[in-house]
Amino acid sequence: QVQLVQSGAEVKKPGASVKVSCKASGYTFTGYYMHWVRQAPGQGLEWMGRINPNSGATNSAQKFQGRVTMTRDTSISTAYMELGSLRSDDTAVYYCARDRDDSSGYFDYWGQGTLVTVSS
Amino acid sequence: QLVLTQSPSASASLGASVKFTCTLSSGHSSYAIAWHQQQPEKGPRYLMKLNSDGSHNKGDGIPDRFSGSSSGAERYLTISSLQSEDEAGYYCQTWGTGIRVFGGGTKLTVL
Repeated sequence: QVQLVQSGAEVKKPGASVKVSCKASGYTFTGYYMHWVRQAPGQGLEWMGRINPNSGATNSAQKFQGRVTMTRDTSISTAYMELGSLRSDDTAVYYCARDRDDSSGYFDYWGQGTLVTVSS
Repeated sequence: QLVLTQSPSASASLGASVKFTCTLSSGHSSYAIAWHQQQPEKGPRYLMKLNSDGSHNKGDGIPDRFSGSSSGAERYLTISSLQSEDEAGYYCQTWGTGIRVFGGGTKLTVL
């Protein structure tokens, strides 16, 4: 069965970086895009960006460009999202989710989420 | 600009039905969407992909109580025979080349 298992909660200081991992199993890792979505406390879902695990190519929402780095390690079927220059309003739960491609861009499986708290 | 609009809240009684609306922005009325459910303190769960013609394919294990339909730029999610565990946030989501977009979500209260 498809599973996306994320790394554990993080507490970071303003200005620092955080790196979250998402380990995929139960499917061909390189056959699906991996996306990152975040949810601030009491707020809705916000798309951050994606990586094509096959090529390594990335796209990100304009809001995060220059601050987010998405990578992958195909040998261990794991995607990573690193967010830099953290601010207090980056406090959120970060999710990974997969989809097939731009013609079928719906998220059919989600990770369990990783809480990132930014606090001095 | 690709935008999805949802009402922020809805309520319905146990055993009744409820219908959520997700409206696509002008010029995007042919787009498919997906519906996701987020129960309190949990991650989102994929419910279904919904096409402009109303055809839909549901995720694994999604009960028959959940159905989708479409009319013009509006996409609907209907839940019948409401149960307490249906109290959750419901998000619509769509996509374009290199982008993914969420609606603001509708919080359902089951009375």
